[in-house]
Amino acid sequence: AQRVTQPEKLLSVFKGAPVELKCNYSYSGSPELFWYVQYSRQRLQLLLRHISRESIKGFTADLNKGETSFHLKKPFAQEEDSAMYYCALSGPYSSASKIIFGSGTRLSIRP
Amino acid sequence: GAVVSQHPSWVICKSGTSVKIECRSLDFQATTMFWYRQFPKQSLMLMATSNEGSKATYEQGVEKDKFLINHASLTLSTLTVTSAHPEDSSFYICSARELGGMGTDTQYFGPGTRLTVL
Repeated sequence: AQRVTQPEKLLSVFKGAPVELKCNYSYSGSPELFWYVQYSRQRLQLLLRHISRESIKGFTADLNKGETSFHLKKPFAQEEDSAMYYCALSGPYSSASKIIFGSGTRLSIRP
Repeated sequence: GAVVSQHPSWVICKSGTSVKIECRSLDFQATTMFWYRQFPKQSLMLMATSNEGSKATYEQGVEKDKFLINHASLTLSTLTVTSAHPEDSSFYICSARELGGMGTDTQYFGPGTRLTVL
């Protein structure tokens, strides 16, 4: 079954500290993995996707197929990073693929 | 980036009435749109995939006769909650898929519609 697991509902770190939001997935095949972010009172938006291998707003995520993980990391947290973060997956390169979301992790950055 | 709008942004209705929510892709064409439901402090739950010119594909457990989806054009999908009841109160979010090349298609999300059924 397709599933995305985010074990932490809330993660609170101090400004300047490293951040790691955990994500594990279950999928029979090679999925495409995403991280979406939802800032307060804003719509959901794509943060990054594993095929792009980009660093967005200082965040990176590496797909580990052996551990079926796609953890989101940032070396130095900033206050503006406070938001709700969702890990998600879809089928590979298919225009008909739906996106399955994890339960989300609320990241709170303390000053 | 591409923009997806939803209308209305919020609606209050009486139990037993029907409510229509519109989802529009403003600057791109979307053959596929998706409808999600989000309960307070919970994740997005996919309800259905809306395909332009054909029937929607519903997720398991979602009543297709209760949540009617129409995708009549490449820029508009509608979700109608029929005979709404208080348990249908929720935040409904749509997304539209913009096709790119080599697996770079992207889903853009609307701002959501808050439905309250009295």
